[in-house]
Amino acid sequence: DAKTTQPTSMDCAEGRAANLPCNHSTISGNEYVYWYRQIHSQGPQYIIHGLKNNETNEMASLIITEDRKSSTLILPHATLRDTAVYYCIVRVSSGYALNFGKGTSLLVTP
Amino acid sequence: EAGVAQSPRYKIIEKRQSVAFWCNPISGHATLYWYQQILGQGPKLLIQFQNNGVVDDSQLPKDRFSAERLKGVDSTLKIQPAKLEDSAVYLCASSTRDRESTDTQYFGPGTRLTVL
Repeated sequence: DAKTTQPTSMDCAEGRAANLPCNHSTISGNEYVYWYRQIHSQGPQYIIHGLKNNETNEMASLIITEDRKSSTLILPHATLRDTAVYYCIVRVSSGYALNFGKGTSLLVTP
Repeated sequence: EAGVAQSPRYKIIEKRQSVAFWCNPISGHATLYWYQQILGQGPKLLIQFQNNGVVDDSQLPKDRFSAERLKGVDSTLKIQPAKLEDSAVYLCASSTRDRESTDTQYFGPGTRLTVL
């Protein structure tokens, strides 16, 4: 699987949009971009994934650049409960394990 | 829908002792994963099962770790004997899909192991 690079930590004010970047410059054409998050003392939680097109669900939006070398996870209105470590993962397809890096620690402040 | 269940939630043992963890995946999920998460790091795969068969155990320290999923449902992970560096959170995850299309992995709350 392609390696990803994420900032170690970020801050965001409650109610504002949180934009979490991820660099995956060596991504292959058949690799998907997945985002998971891990709230303290809990297991990781799936957020969203995409291949080429931008994706949106009830939790977040995923913006993938045209060359697919980077992506941004957007939490449109961050709340205190969004404080967590966010992992950007690329992998070929389903049925394979997730290759977690260290992720981005997002702190949402009042 | 019930989530992935794990027990115990916490375990403290001394080095060289044995320990076992149990995981019950979401009903109907064919694929089960065990991950190890050391403090400050992301989870790392130990072993992956498809039904009751092993798909990937390349990162499992087989001299001390073992895992089974005999009936293709719940699974146990054992460490014997434990070392100090085994202190970590052990996460179980399950998913519905095989290697045909995208899927979602659902994680349990984990078992926090402390080896003294």
